[in-house]
Amino acid sequence: DAEITQSPRHKITETGRQVTLACHQTWNHNNMFWYRQDLGHGLRLIHYSYGVHDTNKGEVSDGYSVSRSNTEDLPLTLESAASSQTSVYFCASSVRLFETQYFGPGTRLLVL
Amino acid sequence: GEDVEQSLFLSVREGDSSVINCTYTDSSSTYLYWYKQEPGAGLQLLTYIFSNMDMKQDQRLTVLLNKKDKHLSLRIADTQTGDSAIYFCAEMGGGGADGLTFGKGTHLIIQP
Repeated sequence: DAEITQSPRHKITETGRQVTLACHQTWNHNNMFWYRQDLGHGLRLIHYSYGVHDTNKGEVSDGYSVSRSNTEDLPLTLESAASSQTSVYFCASSVRLFETQYFGPGTRLLVL
Repeated sequence: GEDVEQSLFLSVREGDSSVINCTYTDSSSTYLYWYKQEPGAGLQLLTYIFSNMDMKQDQRLTVLLNKKDKHLSLRIADTQTGDSAIYFCAEMGGGGADGLTFGKGTHLIIQP
C-alpha cells in the first residue's frame, strides 16, 4: 500500500549539531509539507514543496532547510539545532493544491 | 496572519453526541478539515468540507459550516471511548499556497 513514512521516529541531539529528518511518500504526490507541533501552538508550517526542485518557506522556517531532488522525498535539515527546536515534526503530502493532505507518523526531536 | 480557534477541552459521556467547534478568520478559505490525533500518533484525516457546502455527513460524523460566521463544527454521534483523542480543525486559504492553518486542537474526554 502507498504510504508516507518518517525517520527516525525519535531523535535526541545536542545544541549546535546538524540534524536531518527524513520524509518519504509512495503516492507520487507533487506537494509535500513539513509542520512542527508544539503545546499551545497546534501545528505550524515550516517548509513546503510543489514539486522537484521547488521549495518554499512557511510560517516558522528560520533555522530549517529542505531540498526536493525527487518526487518521493523531502528531507528537513536543522542546520544548527537549538533547544527551541525541540518538537514533534510531521510531514504531509497531497496530490494537488486544495487536495487533502495526508500525514506521516511524526518524529519526536529533543535538542539538549 | 490567518487564525483558527478551538476550545482546548470537551468532556462528554459515552453514548452522547460530541460537538467540537472551530472558528476561522480567512474569508477566502476553500477547504476546511477535521483531523484526529490519538496519543503518540500522527494526524488522521477524519473528514473535510468544501467552502460552498453547508453540511456533510459521513456515518457518525456530521460537519456543519456557517461561512457567514466563519464557524465550523464536528458532531460525533454515539461517542465511544475510542473517540478519545485531540481533534484539529484546519483550513486551506484561497491561494492554497501556504499549506494548512491549524487550530490548537480540542482534547475530547469521554466519561464512562
